[in-house]
Amino acid sequence: GQQVMQIPQYQHVQEGEDFTTYCNSSTTLSNIQWYKQRPGGHPVFLIQLVKSGEVKKQKRLTFQFGEAKKNSSLHITATQTTDVGTYFCAGGSYIPTFGRGTSLIVHP
Amino acid sequence: KAGVTQTPRYLIKTRGQQVTLSCSPISGHRSVSWYQQTPGQGLQFLFEYFSETQRNKGNFPGRFSGRQFSNSRSEMNVSTLELGDSALYLCASSSAGNVNEQFFGPGTRLTVL
Repeated sequence: GQQVMQIPQYQHVQEGEDFTTYCNSSTTLSNIQWYKQRPGGHPVFLIQLVKSGEVKKQKRLTFQFGEAKKNSSLHITATQTTDVGTYFCAGGSYIPTFGRGTSLIVHP
Repeated sequence: KAGVTQTPRYLIKTRGQQVTLSCSPISGHRSVSWYQQTPGQGLQFLFEYFSETQRNKGNFPGRFSGRQFSNSRSEMNVSTLELGDSALYLCASSSAGNVNEQFFGPGTRLTVL
């Protein structure tokens, strides 16, 4: 079945450093979503990418969808302590497959 | 608009028992999905209901079932509980216009002893 892999599993950064998480699918995705889950919280929808090569920005967050629609990335510029949490990607037309997530730890 | 609500928030059961979890979606949302989240397996899709019909189903045993009512509220049932069913069960709702933009509830933390 479809697999969605995310790397790295954990990332420690100093506040102000950049952060990137990568998502790779074993199959072509029609679209991909990104979610953030704060510690003790629930996933919160961030964005959906649909087009090949699409790039979307939300303030310090930049999301990319690969040309082949099999990979995606989330980049955070100048991390803040409020960015702490686990970032998940999800893809799949009918049965959403979530990556295992990347936990971001920001040290002040 | 009120968010997705789930009850109960915490539940402790023993092996062999059954449990029913409830989810009220955002007003106007007709799609409700259920997920199991564990440290070992991550977020796994259980099933999705739309207009009282199960539209998609994940790879879980038949002990896991659900239903949706005419007001879009949904329930999930797990029978013959096993220790491995201990998890955070999350419900998510979405509108018919964008089923991929899911709004998650706070979850029900189920512990099976």
